[in-house]
Amino acid sequence: QQKVQQSPESLSVPEGGMASLNCTSSDRNFQYFWWYRQHSGEGPKALMSIFSDGDKKEGRFTAHLNKASLHVSLHIRDSQPSDSALYFCAATASSGSWQLIFGSGTQLTVMP
Amino acid sequence: ETAVFQTPNYHVTQVGNEVSFNCKQTLGHDTMYWYKQDSKKLLKIMFSYNNKQLIVNETVPRRFSPQSSDKAHLNLRIKSVEPEDSAVYLCASSVGLGGRAEQFFGPGTRLTVL
Repeated sequence: QQKVQQSPESLSVPEGGMASLNCTSSDRNFQYFWWYRQHSGEGPKALMSIFSDGDKKEGRFTAHLNKASLHVSLHIRDSQPSDSALYFCAATASSGSWQLIFGSGTQLTVMP
Repeated sequence: ETAVFQTPNYHVTQVGNEVSFNCKQTLGHDTMYWYKQDSKKLLKIMFSYNNKQLIVNETVPRRFSPQSSDKAHLNLRIKSVEPEDSAVYLCASSVGLGGRAEQFFGPGTRLTVL
């Protein structure tokens, strides 16, 4: 079983709409969470990080973390066609190897 | 321009051959990584190098070996490739190693093993 699970597998939203992506980890040692975005033919690029419970907003992107339920989400408001990409949730523990564990990704399509 | 550069972009080879991929970062980072992204887009860490020392070595087959000449370069060698090695290999770098370290990725090298 993967330690970081994402849902949905794919998501389509209209331009200007809200996209919501979810991520759940199965390891309580995970303390640091990241969202990475990968456009086709490119390497992943970090979107934002969240390390504390609650919301973190950066422009059109808002991440939410609930450590008690090991759940993190990403909400994209006013979605643009350029937001169409593969979104990864990634997590790492607070000790040990600091290995970044990636989820299986959510493919987001924003329809013009 | 500062970034993570990978060569080649693509490589096609036959089973049993040896291949080598190059990675260079001009970001001044001290930690570099190699990831494998399979056909289902799953990303898995293979190696991490911090200050020229291997600090994480995921249970990859022995035919894979990282090679570092300095903290800006981390190459990947595969001896005797097998069909299951077909994937995109992504190089990344960061400042330090830890949960707060943002990783910067290169564009990847796509390997096809016939």
